[in-house]
Amino acid sequence: ILNVEQSPQSLHVQEGDSTNFTCSFPSSNFYALHWYRWETAKSPEALFVMTLNGDEKKKGRISATLNTKEGYSYLYIKGSQPEDSATYLCAPTTSGTYKYIFGTGTRLKVLA
Amino acid sequence: DVKVTQSSRYLVKRTGEKVFLECVQDMDHENMFWYRQDPGLGLRLIYFSYDVKMKEKGDIPEGYSVSREKKERFSLILESASTNQTSMYLCASSFRSSRGRLKQETQYFGPGTRLLVL
Repeated sequence: ILNVEQSPQSLHVQEGDSTNFTCSFPSSNFYALHWYRWETAKSPEALFVMTLNGDEKKKGRISATLNTKEGYSYLYIKGSQPEDSATYLCAPTTSGTYKYIFGTGTRLKVLA
Repeated sequence: DVKVTQSSRYLVKRTGEKVFLECVQDMDHENMFWYRQDPGLGLRLIYFSYDVKMKEKGDIPEGYSVSREKKERFSLILESASTNQTSMYLCASSFRSSRGRLKQETQYFGPGTRLLVL
């Protein structure tokens, strides 16, 4: 996996809005996809790891889906809150390697 | 809870200095990683260690070395710091799964060290 793209690069939403962002990756040799949330001045925090096509994971108001055939994952936040403000990183891995390849992230700012 | 700590949050060094960044994890993880993060780029792997005294180069090892003398501690060394090594450095650790499939194991990160080389 060489090209991992996350979009949008940044966005601002109002408190209470729902939002979603995308992680795109080459589908060949896919093994797993990790999502992290990175708040300013804190450590990146693991949200989800997904491996199977069609996987859906949920944690509170945050959920994620995975399409390994077309090479993308969506992260959804329902009813955004200011505490959701962070950079969201995705990191797919491929068969035969231990490496994560991180995207550049989506920077979310939730306005109160 | 997993805890990964890094020795400094902010560090200012001069060109040519030898710089040590220390990382300690308290969960008995086998694997430890050093990344750097620069604006507009994703986290990039510098070095990886899967056991004491074992190391593998990541994608950008040039100008860096590492040391893993104890399981819980992984040090990143800049032998002669240069201005292009100004960056945010993140350490991470993870379990090595029983079947050795490193890639599915979640990595746990430290808070990062922001290094400025003048």
